[in-house]
Amino acid sequence: QSVLTQPPSASGTPGQRVTISCSGSSSNIGRNFVYWYQQLPGAAPKVLIYRNDQRPSGVPDRFSGSKSGTAASLAISGLRSEDEADYYCAAWDDGLYVFGIGTKVTVL
Amino acid sequence: EVQLVQSGAEVKKPGESLRISCKGSGYIFSNYWIGWVRQMPGKGLEWMGNIYPGDSDTTYGPSFEGQVTFSADKSINTAYLQWSSLRASDTAMYFCGRLIAPTGIGSDYYFDSWGQGVLVTVSS
Repeated sequence: QSVLTQPPSASGTPGQRVTISCSGSSSNIGRNFVYWYQQLPGAAPKVLIYRNDQRPSGVPDRFSGSKSGTAASLAISGLRSEDEADYYCAAWDDGLYVFGIGTKVTVL
Repeated sequence: EVQLVQSGAEVKKPGESLRISCKGSGYIFSNYWIGWVRQMPGKGLEWMGNIYPGDSDTTYGPSFEGQVTFSADKSINTAYLQWSSLRASDTAMYFCGRLIAPTGIGSDYYFDSWGQGVLVTVSS
């Protein structure tokens, strides 16, 4: 059981906007940056968002992150079939790195 | 180009020892933390801890303290994850990743590059 709570699943049709929530506490999201990772089937994770809302070069601007208080969210706009993957939020918590349980995004 | 290449899949029996590796290239290996992440079959990502190859400083996650050992040989740009006595519950995929911090602040560290993962199967 993770200290970061995510919905286990989310879905949408191509072109739709999907939002994934990540709820934490004052010891993690409340005082530290939030990161989002995408894990395609059978692959290693890949960073999508760092420092709450920053995208590394090469990550499409369809992916956006935000944070407010002890919660964060990842939005995927213009959903595509290749976005079907597991998405994990993460944050530091008193010197320990914690991942959310992951959200499986299905493109219908 | 930053690359982390991990050793191959392993099949072991309970009680056996194991060391898997993670070799970095394309950057100054000694200057960046390497983290280890476990993914049990069908489950999510779990941070195991980190090692700084420059001085072998280590941090272990509470679930892994005393269960595994991190080490590094900076002369060959390689980090290791080791078990002295495997259990069936150690069956999982293990990823290494490079941690970077654009600002140098502790809470700013994140995984920017990952190895391909090592599948460890422990079965009698």
